[in-house]
Amino acid sequence: ELKVEQNPLFLSMQEGKNYTIYCNYSTTSDRLYWYRQDPGKSLESLFVLLSNGAVKQEGRLMASLDTKARLSTLHITAAVHDLSATYFCAVDNDMRFGAGTRLTVKP
Amino acid sequence: KAGVTQTPRYLIKTRGQQVTLSCSPISGHRSVSWYQQTPGQGLQFLFEYFSETQRNKGNFPGRFSGRQFSNSRSEMNVSTLELGDSALYLCASSLGPNQPQHFGDGTRLSIL
Repeated sequence: ELKVEQNPLFLSMQEGKNYTIYCNYSTTSDRLYWYRQDPGKSLESLFVLLSNGAVKQEGRLMASLDTKARLSTLHITAAVHDLSATYFCAVDNDMRFGAGTRLTVKP
Repeated sequence: KAGVTQTPRYLIKTRGQQVTLSCSPISGHRSVSWYQQTPGQGLQFLFEYFSETQRNKGNFPGRFSGRQFSNSRSEMNVSTLELGDSALYLCASSLGPNQPQHFGDGTRLSIL
């Protein structure tokens, strides 16, 4: 059974700092998705990664996929308060979601 | 351009009843997916439809069913409701499989 693990589950960081969220999965897949969810809100699609080595960037967020390591990373550069949210990865075999990483960016 | 519209926004039902939720995708989007979100189980995938055909299905019992119409609108039905079906149900549409999804605001279903 496909398992998707995100870490950390909780992340508190200061504005201006960099950090990385990790998404590990247990079976072969070459499709991985990242989503953002603000409290009490719906999901927002961030990135669709469709092949090994795929890298996508949007603003202060950059996502990458290593299918051989079964690992995706979401890198945050120079965090700002507006990035505070919960971030989910999902792996496409069964569209299995990670538990989410709750990010809080403090001034 | 109108976003994804889910109706109703809130719904209260009792155990044993059935419910139908509706999702109108963004115009031109042919792929619709449904998800369930609960505090205990997190986000779980229910179904994906493309051009009226179910492409993928998550690991849910047969009480959960869905369909997509020729105008790409989709419905999901849950029969014989259980307390554990209380959740936020999210619908997302996209141009096609593996494309970025756009989510509706969700339907919050409460089972008493």
